Amino acid sequence: KAGVTQTPRYLIKTRGQQVTLSCSPISGHRSVSWYQQTPGQGLQFLFEYFSETQRNKGNFPGRFSGRQFSNSRSEMNVSTLELGDSALYLCASSPGQGGPNTEAFFGQGTRLTVV
Amino acid sequence: AQSVTQLGSHVSVSEGALVLLRCNYSSSVPPYLFWYVQYPNQGLQLLLKYTTGATLVKGINGFEAEFKKSETSFHLTKPSAHMSDAAEYFCAVRPGGANSKLTFGKGITLSVRP
Repeated sequence: KAGVTQTPRYLIKTRGQQVTLSCSPISGHRSVSWYQQTPGQGLQFLFEYFSETQRNKGNFPGRFSGRQFSNSRSEMNVSTLELGDSALYLCASSPGQGGPNTEAFFGQGTRLTVV
Repeated sequence: AQSVTQLGSHVSVSEGALVLLRCNYSSSVPPYLFWYVQYPNQGLQLLLKYTTGATLVKGINGFEAEFKKSETSFHLTKPSAHMSDAAEYFCAVRPGGANSKLTFGKGITLSVRP
């Protein structure tokens, strides 16, 4: 069974631009979560989707948004990029209802650099 | 709100020595606890998790952790370190209940000396 796939793996953008990152969960998983990882802040929760509905949201500005499609694939979008948005963005999928006791399976991440 | 504290950012051990990575958590409701490992330029991989039942949890690669409610701790151990264990380790907590979110500690980098 294929793992969580994130595309692209690496991305360089200019301040003020917008970016869209993609995540394909493990087949059959309907819960998808996104995290931002930086050396200073560590791993921070962005949002979680289940069956196309946002179920939970972290403390990020409105420039960060996401969505989930009917096939459970998810995208996140960051508008008006800032230098501080440079980070590794990780996507994770979970089986079943994606409840609190279930394992999150992580992708390899998208490394976003804003210049 | 829940939180995770991983004291220190870097631990160095000799190959064959005991590995002990500390994790303390706070949660207003009974939590589920996880340890993840991250190798360079990779995503996170689950080492082990505590949900309910036995407080000593065994995971992959010889790691284990013990849930101690009275100490609000979930320390990770391995009796004998191997060079391949060098990586970053994250403790995470997720409270029970609907719509809870997974909260990670800052992570600890483990180095293994030959």
